[in-house]
Amino acid sequence: DAGVIQSPRHEVTEMGQEVTLRCKPISGHDYLFWYRQTMMRGLELLIYFNNNVPIDDSGMPEDRFSAKMPNASFSTLKIQPSEPRDSAVYFCASSAPRLGYEQYFGPGTRLTVT
Amino acid sequence: GENVEQHPSTLSVQEGDSAVIKCTYSDSASNYFPWYKQELGKRPQLIIDIRSNVGEKKDQRIAVTLNKTAKHFSLHITETQPEDSAVYFCAASVIWGNAGNMLTFGGGTRLMVKP
Repeated sequence: DAGVIQSPRHEVTEMGQEVTLRCKPISGHDYLFWYRQTMMRGLELLIYFNNNVPIDDSGMPEDRFSAKMPNASFSTLKIQPSEPRDSAVYFCASSAPRLGYEQYFGPGTRLTVT
Repeated sequence: GENVEQHPSTLSVQEGDSAVIKCTYSDSASNYFPWYKQELGKRPQLIIDIRSNVGEKKDQRIAVTLNKTAKHFSLHITETQPEDSAVYFCAASVIWGNAGNMLTFGGGTRLMVKP
C-alpha cells in the first residue's frame, strides 16, 4: 500500500482565495482524521470521520473551514476564504481500529497564505 | 476535554546518553498513550504505545512507563544515537472496542543528540 496520500504537498495562495486540500486514506481504513500543525499550537485535531461520516468537528476553527468525505477513498478540507493565520502544515491520517489503534499520517500539505 | 502537557520542550543529550520525556494527562478515562516521532519536514510516525492495563513496555532502546494514579507517562530512550534527533509527541486518548480514537497531543519535545 502507498500509505496515506495528500495533495498538493505545497500550496501558496493569497488571502481571500479558496484552498482545497485532498487526502486518500489507506485502503480498508475506516477512520480518517485531519490535523493542523503550527509552531504556536502544535498538532491539533480538526475533524474526523468514521465510514465517511463526520463524527467530531469540534476542532474546526471557524466556519471558513469545511471538510467532506464523499467516499471511502477520498476526503477534502476546504478553507474559504483563506487568511494568513491559516498558514500551517495540514496532515491527514487514517486508522483501522479493528486492526490496531495506530494512526498513519500522510506527508502533509504545507499551506502558506500571503 | 483531555489536556496533555509535555516536558521538556527541548532536550539536548550526548550520543550514548539516555533521554527521558515526560507527559501528564488530565482525563482519568484515557487508556491509550502513543508516542510519535517526527523528523524534520516529515510526517509523525508511531514509535511505541501503551495501554492502561500495563505499567511499562519496551522495544529495543525505547521504553514507555505509565503511572495511572498520577496520570503521567514517560518515554525513555537509551544509548541515544544521532538518528534519534527529532521531535517527539506524546498523546492520550480513550479507546474501546473497534471505535476510533481522538488523539490529544502534547506540545512536543525537540530532542537533539550530539555526536
